[in-house]
Amino acid sequence: GAGVSQSPRYKVAKRGQDVALRCDPISGHVSLFWYQQALGQGPEFLTYFQNEAQLDKSGLPSDRFFAERPEGSVSTLKIQRTQQEDSAVYLCASSLASNEQFFGPGTRLTVL
Amino acid sequence: QKEVEQDPGPLSVPEGAIVSLNCTYSNSAFQYFMWYRQYSRKGPELLMYTYSSGNKEDGRFTAQVDKSSKYISLFIRDSQPSDSATYLCATPQRGGYQKVTFGTGTKLQVIP
Repeated sequence: GAGVSQSPRYKVAKRGQDVALRCDPISGHVSLFWYQQALGQGPEFLTYFQNEAQLDKSGLPSDRFFAERPEGSVSTLKIQRTQQEDSAVYLCASSLASNEQFFGPGTRLTVL
Repeated sequence: QKEVEQDPGPLSVPEGAIVSLNCTYSNSAFQYFMWYRQYSRKGPELLMYTYSSGNKEDGRFTAQVDKSSKYISLFIRDSQPSDSATYLCATPQRGGYQKVTFGTGTKLQVIP
């Protein structure tokens, strides 16, 4: 079947704009993760969902970042009032329980 | 100090060479270790997953863990141009679900 998909693949936003990034996990995967990957760095954990429950949001850098997964499948990461330091690749991963995480291709966000 | 440290490279080798990629970690409580491969503009994909000290082999890839020195290595034999990618060492921070901590990643280029 299809892997994890993310949209859009590229997003350019002016500073102060709100953005919404979408993740479609592999069908049936209970767990969903969001990571932020700055240029030249490894991915950094943002938040974790088990079904529709957000069980860990300790990595979200500020209250401008908000994630949801209302029906336990598709997830949206929203960033309000974007800042230049938000420029990064946002990766989504899904897994069955605590098994291997499968990553999507990421959304590259550029804030001007 | 980051929990997982990795030389960012870049590392450039001729085709057929043996490649050695290394990481150190700071928390002796870490028990599981992973190596991910990330091609340009793609998400990371899991290469190797190890638990105990010692070696684990999978085709041309060998993962080695030395818990006494908190040192993790990935060896690639008979390197190919298709191995050109960024290699990320990683560890899950806690059991139950894999909130993964990644190293910076080492960019490898295998020259034909």
